Order: sequence, then C-alpha cells, then structure tokens
Amino acid sequence: KNQVEQSPQSLIILEGKNCTLQCNYTVSPFSNLRWYKQDTGRGPVSLTIMTFSENTKSNGRYTATLDADTKQSSLHITASQLSDSASYICVVSLFVLGDYKLSFGAGTTVTVRA
Amino acid sequence: GAGVSQSPRYKVAKRGQDVALRCDPISGHVSLFWYQQALGQGPEFLTYFQNEAQLDKSGLPSDRFFAERPEGSVSTLKIQRTQQEDSAVYLCASSLTGRGRAGELFFGEGSRLTVL
Repeated sequence: KNQVEQSPQSLIILEGKNCTLQCNYTVSPFSNLRWYKQDTGRGPVSLTIMTFSENTKSNGRYTATLDADTKQSSLHITASQLSDSASYICVVSLFVLGDYKLSFGAGTTVTVRA
Repeated sequence: GAGVSQSPRYKVAKRGQDVALRCDPISGHVSLFWYQQALGQGPEFLTYFQNEAQLDKSGLPSDRFFAERPEGSVSTLKIQRTQQEDSAVYLCASSLTGRGRAGELFFGEGSRLTVL
C-alpha cells in the first residue's frame, strides 16, 4: 500500500475556478512535504516545500497547507488557468535508519477547460 | 547546463535489446536520482548517487538494471535484455544537497522507453 495517497485521482474544472487537491500520508518520521507539477511529457517541477513546522506556503496562485498532526496536506489552485492542466504530485520526505527517503504519491490529474 | 538534461528523449527497443539512458545533472549538484514512471503513476525510486558513490540501489527491479556515475557528474542507466514491462519514462533528478533534505529536487524531461 502506498504510503502517500492522493485524491481525487483526476478532476476537471472550468477556467477561472478554484480547486483543492488532497494528500494523506502515513510515513513517519516526517521531514518535509513537497508538491510538484508535472506537465504532460515533461519532468516534475517543484511548487512548494514545507517542513513540519510550516502549515502553509504559497507560490503564486498555488497554496499548500500542511497538518502534521493529521498527516494531511492540500494544494489549492486559485483562479485556474488553462496552463494549470497537469498532474500534481505530493512527495513526502522521511528520515529512516539514519537516511532520508522520498515517498511519491500517484498524482492528481487536473484538466482545466475554457 | 541550465537544467537536468536527459537523452535520448525517446527510445524504442526490441525485446531483448540492451539500452543506455544518459543523465547530465545540474553542474555542482551532489545528489542524483533515477526514477521509473509508469503511465498515470507517480515516479518510483530506482537508485541514488551522492557524487560518484551509489548509496542506494534498492529500487532497481532486477539485476538487468545497472546505473553508474563514475566521475560524480554524468550518470548512465543501463537496462540489459529489455522486457516489455520495462516500458516507462525514466526520470533523472539532481539536488545540491543530500536526498530528502529541504533542498530542491530538479528533474529532467525524462527518457521514454518503449519495448516492443
């Protein structure tokens, strides 16, 4: 079972609308949580990185939140644009046996329609 | 270079052929990662280098997969006797710091391998 679960698997929204993507994780001990945007046929690009002491971080129209107690994160996209159509991947970093490891979610595919 | 560069971008191989995928990380980046990404899935970890040392190869699916980074910069992922299940996008990423730390991870565009 994946230790990082994302929902929904996919969603379609109209241009200009807002949406929120969810990420729940079970891994511990937690080091940091990242959100990446992956356009079709491209590599993932970092949007935000949050440590356990941060509960919100923004990057333009993208705002990520983190609740380390409930092990949940969300990514909110405000006033969506056609260029927001992509897969959004949640990545959790954990510290295990003296080393850091990254655990990836399967991603949420967002389609923005005009 | 300005970013992580991977080649070839696309590779079609017949089952049983050997393939080599190249990754040129950002200059000066210590860490280099290889990931395998199946269609509609998130990247799955294959292996990790810190400079020229391969510190973790626990994600390599079989002994047909081999990676090296002999001089601590360019890395090559080699797949021997390719099978259809090897078809995927192979992503390379580099980081200035060690893995998992707060340092940013920069990905290449990926190499899409199709095994017929």
